[in-house]
Amino acid sequence: DAKTTQPNSMESNEEEPVHLPCNHSTISGTDYIHWYRQLPSQGPEYVIHGLTSNVNNRMASLAIAEDRKSSTLILHRATLRDAAVYYCILRDRNYGQNFVFGPGTRLSVLP
Amino acid sequence: NAGVTQTPKFQVLKTGQSMTLQCAQDMNHNSMYWYRQDPGMGLRLIYYSASEGTTDKGEVPNGYNVSRLNKREFSLRLESAAPSQTSVYFCASIRLDFSTDTQYFGPGTRLTVL
Repeated sequence: DAKTTQPNSMESNEEEPVHLPCNHSTISGTDYIHWYRQLPSQGPEYVIHGLTSNVNNRMASLAIAEDRKSSTLILHRATLRDAAVYYCILRDRNYGQNFVFGPGTRLSVLP
Repeated sequence: NAGVTQTPKFQVLKTGQSMTLQCAQDMNHNSMYWYRQDPGMGLRLIYYSASEGTTDKGEVPNGYNVSRLNKREFSLRLESAAPSQTSVYFCASIRLDFSTDTQYFGPGTRLTVL
């Protein structure tokens, strides 16, 4: 499985945008980029995923570099509820490969 | 829809005791997974079931057994609990999508083995 690298922790102020980076230099052409987050004392939840083009949904935006070797999860206006561990995961579209969770980035949001 | 449910929420065992963690999903998903999460760590896959009637080992299967009872239910059994199995256990199911798949997680079972 291709690996991802994320900063251990980041801080943001409430109501400001947050850019969470992820490096995946060994990504293959059929790997999808997934983002999950885990709020305190809860199971992970899906945030967003993409393949090549930038993606938007109600929770966040995903910006994917042209060479696909890095991506950025963008929270447009951080709230206190966005404080969580964010996981960047690669998953091949060939079903059967498993999700591999790294340690993720712990995001703190300051009021 | 209740999504993915897990029971119990908390459990304390003594070394050598056995127990079964229950997981059920009402989303008609084919695939189900069991993970463990140790403090400050990411999730590690214990076992998974790609479809009803099949199970496969993940990254850390030693000391565990699983049963895919039917499409809805996937249980995890600790035959002889050890302190190293103290962890939070998450069950997940996967919706297969046109382009990829999305996991839905349960709330977790917090297990302490003394």
